Amino acid sequence: QQQVRQSPQSLTVWEGGTTVLTCSYEDSTFNYFPWYQQFPGEGPALLISILSVSDKKEDGRFTTFFNKREKKLSLHIIDSQPGDSATYFCAASPLNQGGSAKLIFGEGTKLTVSS
Amino acid sequence: EAAVTQSPRSKVAVTGGKVTLSCHQTNNHDYMYWYRQDTGHGLRLIHYSYVADSTEKGDIPDGYKASRPSQENFSLILELASLSQTAVYFCASSDGTGGQDTQYFGPGTRLLVL
Repeated sequence: QQQVRQSPQSLTVWEGGTTVLTCSYEDSTFNYFPWYQQFPGEGPALLISILSVSDKKEDGRFTTFFNKREKKLSLHIIDSQPGDSATYFCAASPLNQGGSAKLIFGEGTKLTVSS
Repeated sequence: EAAVTQSPRSKVAVTGGKVTLSCHQTNNHDYMYWYRQDTGHGLRLIHYSYVADSTEKGDIPDGYKASRPSQENFSLILELASLSQTAVYFCASSDGTGGQDTQYFGPGTRLLVL
């Protein structure tokens, strides 16, 4: 069974600190890795994504790293803010199957940023 | 802006009863999805559809049916609701291009089966 695993399950960081979330996967056919952010009472929303041909993608304070050899990826948030408090999901999709990314989600990491 | 709406936002159902969850999107997207979210399991795909009047099984389809009467609407049907189907259900849509399409999620429906 295809699986995507996340760690930690929950994390608390101080305002201004750096948050690091990690994710691992098993299936070597996965080539698309989005991160979704979910605030309480809302649906997830795409935060940042990376393809397996890249090892790093940056968007403002958010950077995702990809290590194909180890089948791992990570999300780094610098200068973490209380507004970043949310649950973060990594996901993975195998090679294009008829046009849509069929996502396999990790279990999620609940991030709390304390001021 | 992309818009996916779900109704109802919350529901209490009895075991063995029929439950229908509805989803409407105004994104003009071909693909629509139903996921369930449980603590510790992330989101798991139940059914999806890429064209009206056709649905496909996802990773956990047992106990669920889906219906796509039009491009804009996608329903999830629990014919005989069970306690184990208590969860938060999310609908999503995407344009289904290139294998890297963004999925836009609705606000979710919280279902409690008693």
